[in-house]
Amino acid sequence: KNQVEQSPQSLIILEGKNCTLQCNYTVSPFSNLRWYKQDTGRGPVSLTIMTFSENTKSNGRYTATLDADTKQSSLHITASQLSDSASYICVVTEIKAAGNKLTFGGGTRVLVKP
Amino acid sequence: DAGVTQSPTHLIKTRGQQVTLRCSPKSGHDTVSWYQQALGQGPQFIFQYYEEEERQRGNFPDRFSGHQFPNYSSELNVNALLLGDSALYLCASSLSRTGARIYEQYFGPGTRLTVT
Repeated sequence: KNQVEQSPQSLIILEGKNCTLQCNYTVSPFSNLRWYKQDTGRGPVSLTIMTFSENTKSNGRYTATLDADTKQSSLHITASQLSDSASYICVVTEIKAAGNKLTFGGGTRVLVKP
Repeated sequence: DAGVTQSPTHLIKTRGQQVTLRCSPKSGHDTVSWYQQALGQGPQFIFQYYEEEERQRGNFPDRFSGHQFPNYSSELNVNALLLGDSALYLCASSLSRTGARIYEQYFGPGTRLTVT
């Protein structure tokens, strides 16, 4: 069964500090991996998208890395701000004949405190 | 250019009732996917509609059904509601292109369904 596992489930960091979120997946065949940010009660918003040939992708203070050999990805948040408080979801796209299928991780809930 | 819109925003139903949720895709998109997200969990794929047909389906019972209209908008219907159906229902739209490597989905704000 194709899965996407994220860790930690939640974390609390102080404003201005950095943090790194982890994502391990078993999805195959793999098309791309993306990180979404989801504010409470809202729909997810895409932060980064990486194909299997890309190792890193940045979007402002967010930097995602991908190791397609070990099937691991990370999302690094630099100089955290209060507005970074949200759930961060790792999503892996599986190639299927009937159309690509997205498999979501359970998310990491980040709380940034002043 | 309007993004993905969903209605209603919130909904309260009682067990056994039926509910219909609606989604309008982003302009130019032809594919709609529906997800169920329980509190504190990641979204779970329900099904995807393309060309007015259900193209893929996740592990959801037949109580969950859908429809896509010629204008690409979509409905999600849930019959015989259970307490466990309480969740945020997300709609995502995309453009199906043969050979496209990047499969971009844009999510709507969701409909919060509470079953009492």
